[in-house]
Amino acid sequence: EDKVVQSPLSLVVHEGDTVTLNCSYEVTNFRSLLWYKQEKKAPTFLFMLTSSGIEKKSGRLSSILDKKELFSILNITATQTGDSAVYLCAVDAGNMLTFGGGTRLMVKP
Amino acid sequence: SAVISQKPSRDICQRGTSLTIQCQVDSQVTMMFWYRQQPGQSLTLIATANQGSEATYESGFVIDKFPISRPNLTFSTLTVSNMSPEDSSIYLCSANRNMNTEAFFGQGTRLTVV
Repeated sequence: EDKVVQSPLSLVVHEGDTVTLNCSYEVTNFRSLLWYKQEKKAPTFLFMLTSSGIEKKSGRLSSILDKKELFSILNITATQTGDSAVYLCAVDAGNMLTFGGGTRLMVKP
Repeated sequence: SAVISQKPSRDICQRGTSLTIQCQVDSQVTMMFWYRQQPGQSLTLIATANQGSEATYESGFVIDKFPISRPNLTFSTLTVSNMSPEDSSIYLCSANRNMNTEAFFGQGTRLTVV
C-alpha cells in the first residue's frame, strides 16, 4: 500500500523564522511528488518534483526531492503570518495522488 | 492550470437526505477526481470520475453511497446519499489536464449533516 508521511504534525514559529517541512514516501510506481498549501478548503499548488537533487524555488519557498532516500523537504524562509496554513505533500503513483497527513504551520507575529 | 468552479460552497443537510456537488472546469481535462477531507485529517480519494463510463471507486467507497457522473470532459458531480453525521466533511474535486501536469482543486464543499 502506498504511504506518504509528513513531519512534523504541527509547528509554531515566529515571523522571520525559517522552517523545514518533511515528507517521506513509499510507493510502488513513483511519478512525481507535489506540495500544496491549504488555508481554508481548497489546496493550492506549490511545487511538482520529478527529479532528484533539483531545487524548485518560488520566492521564499523552495523544495527538493531525494528519490534515493524517498523524501522531500519544503523550506520557507523569512516566514510571515500569511504562511500559516496546512502544507500537504502528495505523491502521484500512477494517475492518482496519495496525500500525507499534512503539517499545520502557525506563524506568530 | 485551469479553474474549477465547485458548488455549493457549503451546506447543512438533514440526515437521510442527499446532496449533489458539482464541479465545472473552464477547459477540457483528462482526469477528474473526488476527495473527502474529514475534520482534522488529510485528503482521501473517493473515486476517479471517468468520462462516459462508471467511476472507479477506492476501497471503502461504493457507488450507492457516492454516485458520480461525468457526462463530458469539463463537468462532474458527486452525490452524497442517505447522509449521516459521519458524512460531515469537506468534499473536493480535482482535475489534471493530462498525466504529466499537477492536479488543481475546486474551492471545496463544506458539508454538515445534522
